Amino acid sequence: QSVLTQPPSVSGAPGQRVTISCTGSSSNIGAGYDVHWYQQLPGTAPKLLIYSNSNRPSGVPDRFSGSKSGTSASLAITGLQAEDEADYYCQSYDSSLSASFGTGTKVTVL
Amino acid sequence: EVQLVESGGGLVKPGGSLRLSCAASGFTFSTYSMNWVRQAPGKGLEWVSAISSSGSYIFYADSVKGRFTISRDNAKKSLYLQMNSLRDEDTAVYYCARDLGVVRGQPVLDYWGQGSLVTVSS
Repeated sequence: QSVLTQPPSVSGAPGQRVTISCTGSSSNIGAGYDVHWYQQLPGTAPKLLIYSNSNRPSGVPDRFSGSKSGTSASLAITGLQAEDEADYYCQSYDSSLSASFGTGTKVTVL
Repeated sequence: EVQLVESGGGLVKPGGSLRLSCAASGFTFSTYSMNWVRQAPGKGLEWVSAISSSGSYIFYADSVKGRFTISRDNAKKSLYLQMNSLRDEDTAVYYCARDLGVVRGQPVLDYWGQGSLVTVSS
């Protein structure tokens, strides 16, 4: 039972911009805890995409960006590419559950 | 190159035990906190446990508290997860993951192993 809610799926055509929301509450995102994002390609381990709300690790394309406001956070993918088709998870800290992942969002490139 | 390689997964009956290992290489293992994260078949990610670099601080998800024990051997560059009283709902791929260490008190997992499948079934 995740305390961070994401849309089950989003889709877009190549080159388009898509956004994935991560909705929390006053006990996690709203309490000021950072949000991180992971990409999981089919059949592989997750990969860190964004950390501390908006920071990209070395090697992550700048097509990926993150933001946070209030009790929610968002991941944006601009210039969508076929290789971006994957599951995406947000992660934060919750005062009752410790580290917590979002419910996950499947991105489909049309 | 950072590498994390899990082993020890397999089929176990409900109520049984299993010990997962994670062998680390390519970085100074003793200076990083480490985590276990699991993923049930077709489901999302679930954080399981974390251990500080020295092993002094340990945290568990409520779902495994009292049944699972995380430990590490810095001399052997290895992370472990002892799983007891296993239940059907513990069936999952278990990943070990390194904590980048940029956020105090909150894991940021920058490197992951390939995962080890644990199946709990009679």
